[in-house]
Amino acid sequence: NAGVTQTPKFQVLKTGQSMTLQCAQDMNHEYMSWYRQDPGMGLRLIHYSVGAGITDQGEVPNGYNVSRSTTEDFPLRLLSAAPSQTSVYFCASRDRGQAFFGQGTRLTVV
Amino acid sequence: GEDVEQSLFLSVREGDSSVINCTYTDSSSTYLYWYKQEPGAGLQLLTYIFSNMDMKQDQRLTVLLNKKDKHLSLRIADTQTGDSAIYFCAESLMDSSYKLIFGSGTRLLVRP
Repeated sequence: NAGVTQTPKFQVLKTGQSMTLQCAQDMNHEYMSWYRQDPGMGLRLIHYSVGAGITDQGEVPNGYNVSRSTTEDFPLRLLSAAPSQTSVYFCASRDRGQAFFGQGTRLTVV
Repeated sequence: GEDVEQSLFLSVREGDSSVINCTYTDSSSTYLYWYKQEPGAGLQLLTYIFSNMDMKQDQRLTVLLNKKDKHLSLRIADTQTGDSAIYFCAESLMDSSYKLIFGSGTRLLVRP
């Protein structure tokens, strides 16, 4: 079972560039979400989705967009990258108590 | 408000038991989680407990939940060097967001 798959694993962007972080799950979970992890701050919720066609903002949504056209995929878009978006990004998929995370995307914005 | 707190660091000797503690503030939490993160890796779901339970055991792992004190603990029996990692406690809120609120993590160091 693949579980939650994130691509790419590593990315370096220049300030102002845009990119999409991919996330796919094969567990047919309705709920998916994106978190960012920064040193000493745990994980903070960026955006989440409770099903195809439904998305909502988390704690730190500014600078990010999401869409959910299928149950399986939940991409995260950085519209104009800023150094403050340097972080490790995790996608999660959940069904009741089962909450699984991908391996993360380490993003550096220079 | 929503807050999850953990101690930052724990050091134990190989073979001893480790106990990692967590406190949370939201009494409406539905599930409480323990995740393990090794350097450069993702979050591995170790175990979770439903809020109406007070204990869950899974091999070397024992989770204790005290709802009255809003205290969660993870006990690792016979701790091994491979258990060295950061352990995150998280709570799930009983609202439509399904979001998880994480603590800042406890770094466990297992000494040979």
